[in-house]
Amino acid sequence: AQSVTQLGSHVSVSEGALVLLRCNYSSSVPPYLFWYVQYPNQGLQLLLKYTSAATLVKGINGFEAEFKKSETSFHLTKPSAHMSDAAEYFCAVSEIQGAQKLVFGQGTRLTINP
Amino acid sequence: NAGVTQTPKFRVLKTGQSMTLLCAQDMNHEYMYWYRQDPGMGLRLIHYSVGEGTTAKGEVPDGYNVSRLKKQNFLLGLESAAPSQTSVYFCASSLAGLTEAFFGQGTRLTVV
Repeated sequence: AQSVTQLGSHVSVSEGALVLLRCNYSSSVPPYLFWYVQYPNQGLQLLLKYTSAATLVKGINGFEAEFKKSETSFHLTKPSAHMSDAAEYFCAVSEIQGAQKLVFGQGTRLTINP
Repeated sequence: NAGVTQTPKFRVLKTGQSMTLLCAQDMNHEYMYWYRQDPGMGLRLIHYSVGEGTTAKGEVPDGYNVSRLKKQNFLLGLESAAPSQTSVYFCASSLAGLTEAFFGQGTRLTVV
């Protein structure tokens, strides 16, 4: 069964600094990988997704993620943090075969310091 | 354009009571999911459905039942609520298993 591990439940960066949120996955078949963002008291919305077309994926709000098969990783980055990026971020995996159900990681809360 | 709508948004139950959470989507999606969100645990999949009339267990199905009698609706039932089921419940739907999931606003359930 597939699984996702997000390293760091809480990340804090200064405004303008690099954002790096880590995600490692486990899957026995080729995965589809997703990053979702959750703002306070809201549901989740999609930031970006990897579907095997390109290893570097660009998403909304200046975020991007790189799929590294050898490291089973899909880390999320943004060159320059903005105050509005403060939220909780979730990495998720779905397998290309089988039930294709969406499984999430534990989440990383991103705080931006002025 | 409603998307995914969850009813109710808030509920307080006494231990042993039963209730049903309703999820409705108007996007003609095949897949529907129920997750629970607890601090430090992310979203854990309770049950999901890959089409009308089908349901399957997720990671934490115990104490919950689901039904998908109509394609647009996915119901989550708690037969005998327990304090451990205090959580925020999210419903989501997607066109297929590998496509973007759209989430409802969540239901905050407290069991006392």
